[in-house]
Amino acid sequence: NAGVMQNPRHLVRRRGQEARLRCSPMKGHSHVYWYRQLPEEGLKFMVYLQKENIIDESGMPKERFSAEFPKEGPSILRIQQVVRGDSAAYFCASSSRTGGDGNTIYFGEGSWLTVV
Amino acid sequence: AQSVTQLDSHVSVSEGTPVLLRCNYSSSYSPSLFWYVQHPNKGLQLLLKYTSAATLVKGINGFEAEFKKSETSFHLTKPSAHMSDAAEYFCVVRGGAGGTSYGKLTFGQGTILTVHP
Repeated sequence: NAGVMQNPRHLVRRRGQEARLRCSPMKGHSHVYWYRQLPEEGLKFMVYLQKENIIDESGMPKERFSAEFPKEGPSILRIQQVVRGDSAAYFCASSSRTGGDGNTIYFGEGSWLTVV
Repeated sequence: AQSVTQLDSHVSVSEGTPVLLRCNYSSSYSPSLFWYVQHPNKGLQLLLKYTSAATLVKGINGFEAEFKKSETSFHLTKPSAHMSDAAEYFCVVRGGAGGTSYGKLTFGQGTILTVHP
């Protein structure tokens, strides 16, 4: 039973390039979340998606960042025109449903983005 | 609104001695609370969770936490530390059930646990 799968695990981009981070949720999970961990900081919520819908994007920067979770395929976090400040670990998480007790959110191993 | 405060940024213990990592929370709803552990350059592993059932929650690797509503605390403990416990620990609160904030976990700043031989 594979967990949350993220790729690439490590990504290096030059300033101005685009970064695409992929996340395949756990089998049976239809809710995906993206979090960012900046150096020396805790994890911050970015976006919450269900299949083909963005539920909550209150943590996403207003520009250059976008996320999707299509009907088929992985969730994608896309960062356009990367800058050095985007260097961080990006964690994807998934859960089976919303509402009710006992609904655990499971995290992937993370994707480390370095902008040079 | 919800928030989490981890009272210690670093905790250092000797192997075989007890571990106490402190966490206080604030939540508008009856909270769901979690402790996650992160080893260097690794992902987050769930240690345990509280979701309005028993107030004393047992987790993996001998960790447990007690939910104390009167103190708004959810401290993590372990009777005897092991070298492999050295990692960063995050106390987490989740938004109210059913709303759009439900998936939004709020993380504490983390506590780095060091275990000395």
